[in-house]
Amino acid sequence: QKEVEQDPGPLSVPEGAIVSLNCTYSNSAFQYFMWYRQYSRKGPELLMYTYSSGNKEDGRFTAQVDKSSKYISLFIRDSQPSDSATYLCAMSASGFQKLVFGTGTRLLVSP
Amino acid sequence: DGGITQSPKYLFRKEGQNVTLSCEQNLNHDAMYWYRQDPGQGLRLIYYSQIVNDFQKGDIAEGYSVSREKKESFPLTVTSAQKNPTAFYLCASSMQMNTEAFFGQGTRLTVV
Repeated sequence: QKEVEQDPGPLSVPEGAIVSLNCTYSNSAFQYFMWYRQYSRKGPELLMYTYSSGNKEDGRFTAQVDKSSKYISLFIRDSQPSDSATYLCAMSASGFQKLVFGTGTRLLVSP
Repeated sequence: DGGITQSPKYLFRKEGQNVTLSCEQNLNHDAMYWYRQDPGQGLRLIYYSQIVNDFQKGDIAEGYSVSREKKESFPLTVTSAQKNPTAFYLCASSMQMNTEAFFGQGTRLTVV
């Protein structure tokens, strides 16, 4: 079993829809959680960074962490065609611990 | 303009050759990383460095080597011992090991 599981998709939605992207993990020591957006043939771009449990909002993006369920989510409101990309979750434990990445979910937003 | 610069964007390697990928950052970050990305496998850690003159093997270090002589620079050499080097290579940096990591735009290496 992988430490971080992420559905590869693709997830296809119409423009304006609310998108929910998710990751599950097995290591209860994870405390730092990140979401990245990656366009084709480009480097990942950091979207959200959260520590421990709770919600964080930034514009159209909301990140949620549920440590009791070992489950994190990224919500995108009013999705746009420009949101079409692969979304990667990443997480790490405290101390000098490396980031562990999910394999990414491909999102397609149609006009 | 702060960021991470990887060069070249595209690189072609002949069988048996060593090639070096460049990674430079001006973010004053202590930690730097090299990842390899293959379709369907996500990001796999090759090497990382928490501080100048120190680096550690990641999950797939065989066939690769690195150096960290300057804080700003973390070059990756893909040696002839790496049997399947064709991939997208990503360099990243962060203030510390588990703070936000920022990525460069990647180098696509192809063996010809």
